[in-house]
Amino acid sequence: GDSVTQMEGPVTLSEEAFLTINCTYTATGYPSLFWYVQYPGEGLQLLLKATKADDKGSNKGFEATYRKETTSFHLEKGSVQVSDSAVYFCALSDGYNNNDMRFGAGTRLTVKP
Amino acid sequence: DTEVTQTPKHLVMGMTNKKSLKCEQHMGHRAMYWYKQKAKKPPELMFVYSYEKLSINESVPSRFSPECPNSSLLNLHLHALQPEDSALYLCASSQNRESSTDTQYFGPGTRLTVL
Repeated sequence: GDSVTQMEGPVTLSEEAFLTINCTYTATGYPSLFWYVQYPGEGLQLLLKATKADDKGSNKGFEATYRKETTSFHLEKGSVQVSDSAVYFCALSDGYNNNDMRFGAGTRLTVKP
Repeated sequence: DTEVTQTPKHLVMGMTNKKSLKCEQHMGHRAMYWYKQKAKKPPELMFVYSYEKLSINESVPSRFSPECPNSSLLNLHLHALQPEDSALYLCASSQNRESSTDTQYFGPGTRLTVL
């Protein structure tokens, strides 16, 4: 079945450092890929998404490119801020699974001043 | 407006209590979801309603009972819960379940504690 694998956390960075959170997936069909962010005590917010191969999703300085050849959707940001501290979930939606969301385990990011 | 609202924000209940969680969206979405999220874990799908009909019950215990009174509202009725049911309960909605490109929009959640 479909699955999403994220890099183990937690990740701790200094402010203005470069961020990469790895995400790879397994899917039967042609999934759409998502990154959600969850701030402490809150629900999940969509950060970005990509719906087909080679698409790049971007938002708030974050980017991720849908790589079909490597089945990956790695999240990157060139310069993180303290306010980026949160848990990041990679997810996929696939028609073979009724388009329901499959989430990775989540990666906790802490950014220190 | 991409807002999903949930009430209450926090709920503490005993194992013999009956309570309900409420979720509302006004985006015209026809799919609504209940998730359970334990600490440091991803959300786990519990129920899906599509066009106000229950589509998925992911083998959830009968002490959880969902209800979709109309296309904008989703309730989760709770009865005889166990302490291990303590978690964050998240509601989400999407346009429908017909396309993988649809985004699910999440509410802020209800933090449930069962004593």
